[in-house]
Amino acid sequence: AQKITQTQPGMFVQEKEAVTLDCTYDTSDPSYGLFWYKQPSSGEMIFLIYQGSYDQQNATEGRYSLNFQKARKSANLVISASQLGDSAMYFCAMRNYETSGSRLTFGEGTQLTVNP
Amino acid sequence: DTEVTQTPKHLVMGMTNKKSLKCEQHMGHRAMYWYKQKAKKPPELMFVYSYEKLSINESVPSRFSPECPNSSLLNLHLHALQPEDSALYLCASSQEHVLASEQYFGPGTRLTVT
Repeated sequence: AQKITQTQPGMFVQEKEAVTLDCTYDTSDPSYGLFWYKQPSSGEMIFLIYQGSYDQQNATEGRYSLNFQKARKSANLVISASQLGDSAMYFCAMRNYETSGSRLTFGEGTQLTVNP
Repeated sequence: DTEVTQTPKHLVMGMTNKKSLKCEQHMGHRAMYWYKQKAKKPPELMFVYSYEKLSINESVPSRFSPECPNSSLLNLHLHALQPEDSALYLCASSQEHVLASEQYFGPGTRLTVT
């Protein structure tokens, strides 16, 4: 069975500082994809970044980077130079077609608050 | 166009009403999804349509009835709902059979059942 664990229900960071949101996963499938989504209070889920299990390099998208440690089964999201608009709920999710088809398995989320 | 639209944004309905939620995408995606989300919780998958056919039904009560009239549209018909069905309902779409394909989400419909 697939499982995503986000151990930080809430995180606080000062504006302009970097923050790391933790995500660990469990799957027996060698082929899987990991996704991070941001959900502001308005409700829309916004895709941030993707990492494939066979990707050799850590994914980066602007201020977002993914610290992918395959042996530890972790895929932590790093946000550099935090902005007030980064305050939101962040979800880590995983998909693998072998065992779950197009289904995404989500973690419980981390509520990030950026302080001025 | 990388947008998924949902209507209405807000819906208040009584337990005896019948209403429908609508979702539309024009990205050529052949997989479409309905999720239910309670406050401070992750989205829960309800239904998946693949090439306009229902491929996953996560044991959702029959008072929720999905419909996919064509490859761009997805409806969720609601009837005789309960107060505990109040939630944010999210629609999403993605390419099918592509592991790296992210799901694009709509803004959601906030449903209140009175």
